[in-house]
Amino acid sequence: DAGVIQSPRHEVTEMGQEVTLRCKPISGHNSLFWYRQTMMRGLELLIYFNNNVPIDDSGMPEDRFSAKMPNASFSTLKIQPSEPRDSAVYFCASSFGTRGTLQETQYFGPGTRLLVL
Amino acid sequence: GENVEQHPSTLSVQEGDSAVIKCTYSDSASNYFPWYKQELGKRPQLIIDIRSNVGEKKDQRIAVTLNKTAKHFSLHITETQPEDSAVYFCAVEVSTGKLIFGQGTELSVKP
Repeated sequence: DAGVIQSPRHEVTEMGQEVTLRCKPISGHNSLFWYRQTMMRGLELLIYFNNNVPIDDSGMPEDRFSAKMPNASFSTLKIQPSEPRDSAVYFCASSFGTRGTLQETQYFGPGTRLLVL
Repeated sequence: GENVEQHPSTLSVQEGDSAVIKCTYSDSASNYFPWYKQELGKRPQLIIDIRSNVGEKKDQRIAVTLNKTAKHFSLHITETQPEDSAVYFCAVEVSTGKLIFGQGTELSVKP
């Protein structure tokens, strides 16, 4: 199993540009999570999907952030327009569980290091 | 919402000593408590977890204890080795099925 796959691994962009991060969960997993990690705020959940449906997006910072999961094997996190304060490592994770009762290991991808100049 | 407090934020021990990291949480309905290890520049990886139907779980040099009444749980690492140096995160699963992470503990094991 290849594990959770994320692309790109590194992204450097200028303020105001659109950024799209991509994630392929582990085959068979039905829950997908997007996290953001910074020194100041630690590891924050942005949004999570169960069976391709967004369950909790309360962590999405503002309207500039959006996430989609068109099918069980692909998800995107988009930032438009990007700002310097969006610089962080963005992790995607997947697991298998039922909404509200996960209790299953979350497997993290390698992350995307985003730098917005 | 759920609040997870993790202490200490940094911990330095000599090789061979034990290390203990503690977390407290606020939601009494929480039933799943994993611990993740993150090495520098790497992804978080699960090292051990505990569910509320047990009070302690052990895996070789790593153990986790849970006190649901007091709403706290702890990670214990015995016979520490330099390769244990990393940032450790506790987490709590809340009723919606998501994990809330503690702020992390940077563990340094000195040879």
